[in-house]
Amino acid sequence: KQEVTQIPAALSVPEGENLVLNCSFTDSAIYNLQWFRQDPGKGLTSLLLIQSSQREQTSGRLNASLDKSSGRSTLYIAASQPGDSATYLCAVNEANSKLTFGKGITLSVRP
Amino acid sequence: GAVVSQHPSWVICKSGTSVKIECRSLDFQATTMFWYRQFPKQSLMLMATSNEGSKATYEQGVEKDKFLINHASLTLSTLTVTSAHPEDSSFYICSARDTIAGGGSGQFFGPGTRLTVL
Repeated sequence: KQEVTQIPAALSVPEGENLVLNCSFTDSAIYNLQWFRQDPGKGLTSLLLIQSSQREQTSGRLNASLDKSSGRSTLYIAASQPGDSATYLCAVNEANSKLTFGKGITLSVRP
Repeated sequence: GAVVSQHPSWVICKSGTSVKIECRSLDFQATTMFWYRQFPKQSLMLMATSNEGSKATYEQGVEKDKFLINHASLTLSTLTVTSAHPEDSSFYICSARDTIAGGGSGQFFGPGTRLTVL
């Protein structure tokens, strides 16, 4: 059974810092991996989608990498801003289209 | 593009009543939709996969007679929580997969429905 782990559960950084959020998964036979952002009481916003054949994807200040063989993905946020404060969820998509989510990392960017 | 809506955004009901939640794909067709629930400070747990024109596939431990799913069209799936109890209070989120783009495009999520059962 696929398990997705995100550590730490919470992170607080000063504004402007570059940071890396980690995600690990136990079964490397994945179809793709998605990073989502969730604001309190809200739904999910898709940030980046990496196919199993890709190693990274970039969107603005965000860069996500994927090392399928080692079961790891990272989300890099450059020059963090207070508006980046949210919970970031990693989810892996297996061949049956089911997404397995990690518990998320709650990020707080201090002004 | 790729917008998914949910209605209502929040609902409060009495114990024993039934509540229906709608999930719509606004600008794409979705043969497959998914229903998740999320408890406070927890991750999303898949409840069931909703397939247009056929029966939903439920995850282990999810009561299909309690959580009724209907996917009657390519843009609408509904989740009905029957005989709701306080322990059903949760945040319910749906997602949809673009039929034409396929699984490679990922899933698009609705804004969620907060259900509180008194």
